[in-house]
Amino acid sequence: QKEVEQNSGPLSVPEGAIASLNCTYSDRGSQSFFWYRQYSGKSPELIMFIYSNGDKEDGRFTAQLNKASQYVSLLIRDSQPSDSATYLCAVNPWAGGTSYGKLTFGQGTILTVHP
Amino acid sequence: GAGVSQSPSNKVTEKGKDVELRCDPISGHTALYWYRQSLGQGLEFLIYFQGNSAPDKSGLPSDRFSAERTGGSVSTLTIQRTQQEDSAVYLCASSLVYDGGGLQTQYFGPGTRLLVL
Repeated sequence: QKEVEQNSGPLSVPEGAIASLNCTYSDRGSQSFFWYRQYSGKSPELIMFIYSNGDKEDGRFTAQLNKASQYVSLLIRDSQPSDSATYLCAVNPWAGGTSYGKLTFGQGTILTVHP
Repeated sequence: GAGVSQSPSNKVTEKGKDVELRCDPISGHTALYWYRQSLGQGLEFLIYFQGNSAPDKSGLPSDRFSAERTGGSVSTLTIQRTQQEDSAVYLCASSLVYDGGGLQTQYFGPGTRLLVL
């Protein structure tokens, strides 16, 4: 079982719709969770992070975390063609003691928003 | 301030040659990370530096790979005797570190695209 799993897609949604991206993780002790967006040929850029159960909203983006189910998701409202990219879920697998920076990434979900 | 910078942006080398990749983190960031991303693959952790602590080298795929960080700032990733399977994008990231919270936001550089012929 992979440590961080994402549906590779592609996920195709029409412009203006809600895109829902999902991620599950295996390390129950994981503390913080990140969503990165990566355009083709570019490096990942941070969209959001979340570390408490529940929802966190930032503009058109909402991250949802359920630690009991080991599940984190990203919702993109009013999807735009410019949102078309690969979305990477990353998990900090908590090593105890002082904070520890290694992130484990999922394979990414390809999102296509069509006009 | 400026973001993470990496050089060179592209590198083509012949199998068996050594290569050095450079990363300059965001000023003030004490943590520095190297990742590798092969075509169509996710990011693979290679090595992590935090301040003066011993680096976490657990992700280095073989002893041909090494990295150092001088003066707590610039880092160099060295690949000796390159192989074709080393072809990938090598990404560097940096972050601040928060004690106990487990929360660091990593900011990525543009990457070095390495092609081994």
